[in-house]
Amino acid sequence: QQPVQSPQAVILREGEDAVINCSSSKALYSVHWYRQKHGEAPVFLMILLKGGEQKGHEKISASFNEKKQQSSLYLTASQLSYSGTYFCGTDSGNTGKLIFGQGTTLQVKP
Amino acid sequence: DAEITQSPRHKITETGRQVTLACHQTWNHNNMFWYRQDLGHGLRLIHYSYGVQDTNKGEVSDGYSVSRSNTEDLPLTLESAASSQTSVYFCASSDNSLNEQFFGPGTRLTVL
Repeated sequence: QQPVQSPQAVILREGEDAVINCSSSKALYSVHWYRQKHGEAPVFLMILLKGGEQKGHEKISASFNEKKQQSSLYLTASQLSYSGTYFCGTDSGNTGKLIFGQGTTLQVKP
Repeated sequence: DAEITQSPRHKITETGRQVTLACHQTWNHNNMFWYRQDLGHGLRLIHYSYGVQDTNKGEVSDGYSVSRSNTEDLPLTLESAASSQTSVYFCASSDNSLNEQFFGPGTRLTVL
């Protein structure tokens, strides 16, 4: 089952904050976050693992609520370079196989 | 530097033709994946492999096949291309389930 992301789209001014949510109907082992700019390949941002471990870029923060089967990506003091589409990918059983959400489009304006 | 490449980058073909998209990685990763990306659907998993001679079906595998004869390559074959298979195809690789997937640049396929 595909995870559901919200919101579908968000427009920000530089310096504003945003939260992108990812919700699954299945228990999760890990959640992966990627950002994709138009015409380019997705680029890794962060992995959140069951049990609390996180791996990723220092300037990106995220949370993983295992009980609620949800993850949130926090983008603070947004920059123009943050614009793009954000995808969460979920792994329900430490398989390495990801099921991606439909994406959240973020546009940061000057 | 290690990398993952896809070829061709753009392909136009006709309905009914067989098409093969290449994916080659020099990371020496065991795991390789094929996704298709369509507007409104995000990335959908077509097939994946955990190592040589291993292949598995993903969410949208009908009409596609893969083979893994070595660590570096996972070619994706459309047996008889259909217009519904017009899409952007991404290949990715990872060394294990706890690390990131590295994506190739993508192949834009148009089936007329």
